[in-house]
Amino acid sequence: GNSVTQMEGPVTLSEEAFLTINCTYTATGYPSLFWYVQYPGEGLQLLLKATKADDKGSNKGFEATYRKETTSFHLEKGSVQVSDSAVYFCALRRGAGKSTFGDGTTLTVKP
Amino acid sequence: EAGVAQSPRYKIIEKRQSVAFWCNPISGHATLYWYQQILGQGPKLLIQFQNNGVVDDSQLPKDRFSAERLKGVDSTLKIQPAKLEDSAVYLCASSLVTSGVTDEQYFGPGTRLTVT
Repeated sequence: GNSVTQMEGPVTLSEEAFLTINCTYTATGYPSLFWYVQYPGEGLQLLLKATKADDKGSNKGFEATYRKETTSFHLEKGSVQVSDSAVYFCALRRGAGKSTFGDGTTLTVKP
Repeated sequence: EAGVAQSPRYKIIEKRQSVAFWCNPISGHATLYWYQQILGQGPKLLIQFQNNGVVDDSQLPKDRFSAERLKGVDSTLKIQPAKLEDSAVYLCASSLVTSGVTDEQYFGPGTRLTVT
């Protein structure tokens, strides 16, 4: 079956540091890949997505590239801010079916 | 555009009691999902509806959980009787259905259930 593995957290960075959160997946066929963010006390929000191999999703300074050869979709940001502190979830989905999520990575950014 | 609405936001019950959660998806969204998110884990699908029909309920503990989506709009998820391990956040999500396309899922704020 489908599965998503994220790097374990928590991750603590200083403001303006470079961020990488690793995500690898196992799936049949060609799923779409997503990163969601969950701020304290709020619901899941879509951060970015990529629907086919070599696509790059980007939003709010975050980027992730769909790498079929390494089955990966690592999240990166060049300079994090305190406001980026949240839990980040990698997920995959095919068509209108369910999303399969990783277990989340907690990011804390200190001033 | 209004988002996915859920109520209540928080619920505390004792084990063996029953509880119900309500979800109103975004207007026009044919597909509705209920996920269970246990602390420290990612959300896991309990049940998926398309209009008022069940698409996937393979992970729903049917001896205690039930869900319905009458008239293909809002939905209720019920637990009866609750167990301690049901303590989690219950997320509702909705999406349009476009054949061959992966539409975005929109998530509600969730209902945090604590079973004591």
